[in-house]
Amino acid sequence: GNSVTQMEGPVTLSEEAFLTINCTYTATGYPSLFWYVQYPGEGLQLLLKATKADDKGSNKGFEATYRKETTSFHLEKGSVQVSDSAVYFCALSDSNNAGNMLTFGGGTRLMVKP
Amino acid sequence: GAVVSQHPSRVICKSGTSVKIECRSLDFQATTMFWYRQFPKKSLMLMATSNEGSKATYEQGVEKDKFLINHASLTLSTLTVTSAHPEDSSFYICSASSLVPFFGQGTRLTVV
Repeated sequence: GNSVTQMEGPVTLSEEAFLTINCTYTATGYPSLFWYVQYPGEGLQLLLKATKADDKGSNKGFEATYRKETTSFHLEKGSVQVSDSAVYFCALSDSNNAGNMLTFGGGTRLMVKP
Repeated sequence: GAVVSQHPSRVICKSGTSVKIECRSLDFQATTMFWYRQFPKKSLMLMATSNEGSKATYEQGVEKDKFLINHASLTLSTLTVTSAHPEDSSFYICSASSLVPFFGQGTRLTVV
């Protein structure tokens, strides 16, 4: 079956530090890959996505590249801000499923200190 | 962009009562919606797939008689937690897809 593994948190960084949150996946076929962000007490917001190998998703300074050879979709940001503090979820959507049911990683809590 | 609206955002109910949570796709039609449950500091677990005009498909271990799902129109799915118990307290969140999956704001259910 499908699975997503991401690094456990919490990840604590100082403002303007470089961020990497690792994500690897197992899936059949050619899944689409997503990063979602959840701020305290809120639902999930789509941060970025990639639908095929070598695609790079980017948004708000965050980037992730779909690496089929390493089955990875690591999230990066060059300079984090306090407002980036949240929980980040890596997820995949199997190309064979209708309606985009998602399989989630465990989530990584990011805390950015001033 | 596509918006999914979920209501209520928070609800507190007494043990034994039922609670209905609504999930609406505001600017697109969704024949399929998904209901997830999130335990504290945990990831999201799929509970069921809501299918417009037909019965929902439940994941293993999810009681279909306890978590009633109705998807009566292309823009609305409801999740009713029946005879709620304190262990049902959780964060419930729905999603619907318009090219990509969008999520509602989530519902924090507390059963006292």
